[in-house]
Amino acid sequence: KAGVTQTPRYLIKTRGQQVTLSCSPISGHRSVSWYQQTPGQGLQFLFEYFSETQRNKGNFPGRFSGRQFSNSRSEMNVSTLELGDSALYLCASTLGTGSTEAFFGQGTRLTVV
Amino acid sequence: AQSVTQLDSQVPVFEEAPVELRCNYSSSVSVYLFWYVQYPNQGLQLLLKYLSGSTLVESINGFEAEFNKSQTSFHLRKPSVHISDTAEYFCAVSPTGTASKLTFGTGTRLQVTL
Repeated sequence: KAGVTQTPRYLIKTRGQQVTLSCSPISGHRSVSWYQQTPGQGLQFLFEYFSETQRNKGNFPGRFSGRQFSNSRSEMNVSTLELGDSALYLCASTLGTGSTEAFFGQGTRLTVV
Repeated sequence: AQSVTQLDSQVPVFEEAPVELRCNYSSSVSVYLFWYVQYPNQGLQLLLKYLSGSTLVESINGFEAEFNKSQTSFHLRKPSVHISDTAEYFCAVSPTGTASKLTFGTGTRLQVTL
């Protein structure tokens, strides 16, 4: 059974640009959650998508957005990149209903210069 | 809302010594509790979880954690650590019924030396 796949693993972008990250959940999982990990703020919840709908949202500005496709794959987009957006972005997949465990991908390391 | 406090940012320990990583949480609703481990440049791997029932939970690699409701704690212990246990450990909570929205502590860096 394949795990959670995040692409790309590493990304370098310039301030002001936008970026799209991708996450393919475990087969059969319908929920994808996104987290931002930085040395200063730690691991913070961005949002969760379930059945193509945003079900939960963290406390991030509107520059951070996401979507989920009918095959449960999810994308996260960050517009107008700032230096402070440099982070490891992790996605996690769960069954979605009554889930008791989240499975994490290896993350995408985004560097904004 | 939930919050998690990991009291120690770093814990140095010698190989084969016991270790305890502390975790306290706050929540107005009932929660699930988790410990995750992260190796450099990797994602998070679930170490163990408490959902309900027995307050002592164990992992396959010798770690255990005990849920203490009165003290709102979920400390992680291992009686004898190995060099390969060197990693970052995160305590997390989620509302009961879902693991899709986790609130993490700030992490504890466990450094095992000879």
